[in-house]
Amino acid sequence: KAGVTQTPRYLIKTRGQQVTLSCSPISGHRSVSWYQQTPGQGLQFLFEYFSETQRNKGNFPGRFSGRQFSNSRSEMNVSTLELGDSALYLCASSPLNSYNEQFFGPGTRLTVL
Amino acid sequence: GENVEQHPSTLSVQEGDSAVIKCTYSDSASNYFPWYKQELGKRPQLIIDIRSNVGEKKDQRIAVTLNKTAKHFSLHITETQPEDSAVYFCAASNSGGGADGLTFGKGTHLIIQP
Repeated sequence: KAGVTQTPRYLIKTRGQQVTLSCSPISGHRSVSWYQQTPGQGLQFLFEYFSETQRNKGNFPGRFSGRQFSNSRSEMNVSTLELGDSALYLCASSPLNSYNEQFFGPGTRLTVL
Repeated sequence: GENVEQHPSTLSVQEGDSAVIKCTYSDSASNYFPWYKQELGKRPQLIIDIRSNVGEKKDQRIAVTLNKTAKHFSLHITETQPEDSAVYFCAASNSGGGADGLTFGKGTHLIIQP
């Protein structure tokens, strides 16, 4: 099976702009979770989607949002970008839910200037 | 919500020696504890996990122990090899449907000295 894929792999934006990141899970996986990874804060949970519904949400402002499509592909959107949003954004897919093994994608490196 | 503390932040061991990384968690409802390995520039990969109905689990040179009473769990790597050099993350979650997903520790940078 193909692994989790994320696009784009690298992105440079300026403050105030918005960005959309995409994640395609492993075929058959219905759960997609998103994480933000930074050197200072480590890996932080953003949200999880299962069957097109957001089931869990981490402690991030409303500028961070996401959605999941019927084919389980997921997108996350960050509006009004801030310098502190610069990070590696990882998505992970799981067959059932986020409480089983999660398979991570390669991540999208977002730089906000 | 859940809080996971991980120690040490950096661990340097001689090749062939053992390495131990420790984590504590705060939410007694957490019942799933995975460990991920992340090599430089690569994605995190699950290396072993344990559920709260088990006290210990082994997979070749890697073992994880869980003490539910004390709310801590540890990763043990024996006979370390150069390819074990990486950042290791512990995590905890409540499979009962908590709002936090997987809560990760801050990571341990394991360095294997030749």
